[in-house]
Amino acid sequence: DAGVTQSPTHLIKTRGQQVTLRCSPKSGHDTVSWYQQALGQGPQFIFQYYEEEERQRGNFPDRFSGHQFPNYSSELNVNALLLGDSALYLCASSFDRALETQYFGPGTRLLVL
Amino acid sequence: QKEVEQNSGPLSVPEGAIASLNCTYSDRGSQSFFWYRQYSGKSPELIMSIYSNGDKEDGRFTAQLNKASQYVSLLIRDSQPSDSATYLCAVNPNNYGQNFVFGPGTRLSVLP
Repeated sequence: DAGVTQSPTHLIKTRGQQVTLRCSPKSGHDTVSWYQQALGQGPQFIFQYYEEEERQRGNFPDRFSGHQFPNYSSELNVNALLLGDSALYLCASSFDRALETQYFGPGTRLLVL
Repeated sequence: QKEVEQNSGPLSVPEGAIASLNCTYSDRGSQSFFWYRQYSGKSPELIMSIYSNGDKEDGRFTAQLNKASQYVSLLIRDSQPSDSATYLCAVNPNNYGQNFVFGPGTRLSVLP
């Protein structure tokens, strides 16, 4: 049973560039959430996708956008990268049911120079 | 603003001792609570979930929830050096959907 997978594992970009991160949910899961984790901090919720639509969004600017495909996989796009966007980006998947647990992928570490 | 607070640590305990990790949350309507373990450079790994007041035990781990006090704790019995990690408390403030609010994490060091 495959867990949550993410690609790439590491990425280096320069300020102003755009980046796309990818996530495949755990088998059977239909809901994907994205989190940003800066060094030494807890993960911060970016947004959640269900049925190919953004259902909930955290306090992140419009530079952060996403997409969910019919197979439930998801992408996170960040435009006009800033130095402060350097972080570990985590994808989590779950069933769309009340009180469900989220399972995290290995993350993508993004460094913006 | 919905917040989750934890002592950042580091919390140091000797091998074989009980480690006690604490978490408080601000949203009184929160319904589900989770503890994740995160090793350095890795992603969070689920340890326990708890939904009802009281204790929930799983092996060496016990989660405790007190909704009236808005308090969640995690006890690790017979602590091992392999338990050395950052422990993240997560709260789901919604009854539906999973936009978890995480605390900053408590760094635990188990000394051999």
